[in-house]
Amino acid sequence: DAGVIQSPRHEVTEMGQEVTLRCKPISGHNSLFWYRQTMMRGLELLIYFNNNVPIDDSGMPEDRFSAKMPNASFSTLKIQPSEPRDSAVYFCASSVGTGKDTQYFGPGTRLTVL
Amino acid sequence: GDSVTQMEGPVTLSEEAFLTINCTYTATGYPSLFWYVQYPGEGLQLLLKATKADDKGSNKGFEATYRKETTSFHLEKGSVQVSDSAVYFCALRGNTPLVFGKGTRLSVIA
Repeated sequence: DAGVIQSPRHEVTEMGQEVTLRCKPISGHNSLFWYRQTMMRGLELLIYFNNNVPIDDSGMPEDRFSAKMPNASFSTLKIQPSEPRDSAVYFCASSVGTGKDTQYFGPGTRLTVL
Repeated sequence: GDSVTQMEGPVTLSEEAFLTINCTYTATGYPSLFWYVQYPGEGLQLLLKATKADDKGSNKGFEATYRKETTSFHLEKGSVQVSDSAVYFCALRGNTPLVFGKGTRLSVIA
C-alpha cells in the first residue's frame, strides 16, 4: 500500500519566491496534518484538517503560510513570500480520524530558502 | 495542555548494549502513546504504540510499557545494533494531534 506521498522531496528557492508543498494522504484517511521540523524548535504542528476542513491552524507561524485541502486526496502548504527562516523539513501526516489513531508520516520536503 | 518529556541525548552506546530512553507525559484523560523513529535523512516511522494502561508495545526488539501510575512510556531494547542509530521521538495523542517530545539521538558504535 502506498504511504503518504509528498512532493517535492527537496526545494531550493530564493527569498521572496512562492513555495508550494504537496501532500497525498493514505487513501481512506480522513485527517491530514502538516508539521515543520527544525533543529531549534523540533517538530511543530502547523495545521490539521478533518474531512478536508481546517480544524486548527494556530500553529501556522504567519500570514505568509497558507494550507488548503480541496479534496480528500490532496493538500498543499504554500509560503508566499518565502524567507530564509522558513528553511526546514516539512512533513505531512495522515490518520483515519482525529481521535487516538496512529498518524503516518510522509518522507518530508526539505526546503532551503536562500 | 498535553506534553511529553524525554531524556535529552545524544546517547552513545556500544553494539549489544542495553538501551533505555526515558519518556514521561502529562495529559488529561487516557491518551495513546507512541514511539517514532527517524533514520538519517528520512521521515518519521512508527516504531510501536500502546493505547491503554499496562499495554506493552513491541517491534524490532524494542519494547515500551504504558505506565499510568508513573505517567511513563520508557523505550527499551536488550541489545542494540549499529543499524538502530537514529533519533527516537516519544509522542502522545489524546483528542488532538500528536504531541511530540524533543527527540533523543542514539548512536551505536561497533
